[in-house]
Amino acid sequence: QSVLTQPPSASGTPGQRVTFSCSGSSSNIGSDSVTWFQQLPGTSPKLLMFSNDQRPSGVPDRFSGSKSGTSASLAISGLQSEDEADYYCATWDDSLNGWVFGGGTKLTVL
Amino acid sequence: EVQLVESGGGLVQPGRSLRLSCAASGFSFDDYAMHWVRQAPGKGLEWVSGISWDSDNTVYGDSVKGRFTISRDNAKNSLYLQMNSLRVEDTALYYCAKGYGVQGVIDYWGQGTLVTVSS
Repeated sequence: QSVLTQPPSASGTPGQRVTFSCSGSSSNIGSDSVTWFQQLPGTSPKLLMFSNDQRPSGVPDRFSGSKSGTSASLAISGLQSEDEADYYCATWDDSLNGWVFGGGTKLTVL
Repeated sequence: EVQLVESGGGLVQPGRSLRLSCAASGFSFDDYAMHWVRQAPGKGLEWVSGISWDSDNTVYGDSVKGRFTISRDNAKNSLYLQMNSLRVEDTALYYCAKGYGVQGVIDYWGQGTLVTVSS
């Protein structure tokens, strides 16, 4: 059971907009910024979003992030087939004194 | 280019020990915190441990506390994970990752080394 809660799956068609949710508590998302990772099939995780809404260099602006209270979300607009991957949210937890991850959301592009 | 190359994984019996290594290159290793994150087969990511740039701060996930020890050698640009009293549930792909401080952003990951704990 992951500390951060993510829906296990999501889907969309090319060109659509999809959003992923990540729910936590006051000791993690409520008190620290959220990071999102993308894991393409068979590869290592890749940093997709940091500090809630900041994109690293090279990440398309189709990806956007936000945070409100103890929840965060990641949105992908103009969905492409290469976006098919697992998406994980993560943050520092002050009570556990460590990083916590969501269980991941598997995105299927139909 | 940042490169993180893990090694040391393998098949080990429950209760035995294993030491993982991570060789870093392409950045100033002694400026950054480092982490170990694992992924059981077909499962999600689980943070294992982190260490500050100067080794002064080490933190562990509850599932490995007291059994695993993280360390680093800045002169060798290397990160280590000593795993003792291994359990079947420790079976996973272990990733080495670079971070901006122990609580800061984790931005680069290695390819991982597989640890299988089985009798």
